Amino acid sequence: DTAVSQTPKYLVTQMGNDKSIKCEQNLGHDTMYWYKQDSKKFLKIMFSYNNKELIINETVPNRFSPKSPDKAHLNLHINSLELGDSAVYFCASSDPLESTDTQYFGPGTRLTVL
Amino acid sequence: AQSVTQLDSHVSVSEGTPVLLRCNYSSSYSPSLFWYVQHPNKGLQLLLKYTSAATLVKGINGFEAEFKKSETSFHLTKPSAHMSDAAEYFCVVSDPGNTGKLIFGQGTTLQVKP
Repeated sequence: DTAVSQTPKYLVTQMGNDKSIKCEQNLGHDTMYWYKQDSKKFLKIMFSYNNKELIINETVPNRFSPKSPDKAHLNLHINSLELGDSAVYFCASSDPLESTDTQYFGPGTRLTVL
Repeated sequence: AQSVTQLDSHVSVSEGTPVLLRCNYSSSYSPSLFWYVQHPNKGLQLLLKYTSAATLVKGINGFEAEFKKSETSFHLTKPSAHMSDAAEYFCVVSDPGNTGKLIFGQGTTLQVKP
């Protein structure tokens, strides 16, 4: 019973390619997020969607485009991949009606751009 | 602006001895504070959260943290370390604007020696 799942777990690709990472949650949450963890393990939010609407868009290159087909899914599409995009990408979800708004994280997708 | 500072990038303890991971926060509001743990090549798991209900918060696996407003601290402790506690620990503050945005500390690597 995986709460937040991501596919693929590992992604190795060449510079300039376009790739997608998928995220699904079965917790019934309305809000989903994408975070990036760099090589120094620093985590920073990229995007947040609430019920399929974008509510947070940090300073992220427009080569990154989140897509939410329904509130249980938030996919991340990356165009023209660059070496600096190599990182671990985490999806998370939360219920904003919960007082603490705890976020539940997926297992991560390790992206390596060669 | 919200921020958290983890005072130690690396902590090494012997199995069976106490653990102390230090975190200071900066917030203009009454913050929500969290500790997350990341085991090698795994996702992030919530250890505990502070939501202003009680200053001493108990979490999973014997961890607890105490919120001290006067010291702007939220240190994580455990009386007796276990080998399985070896992981990366993140102190996190929640953005007060109900956007759900989490702001992560730099992380502390906990090493447990036999």
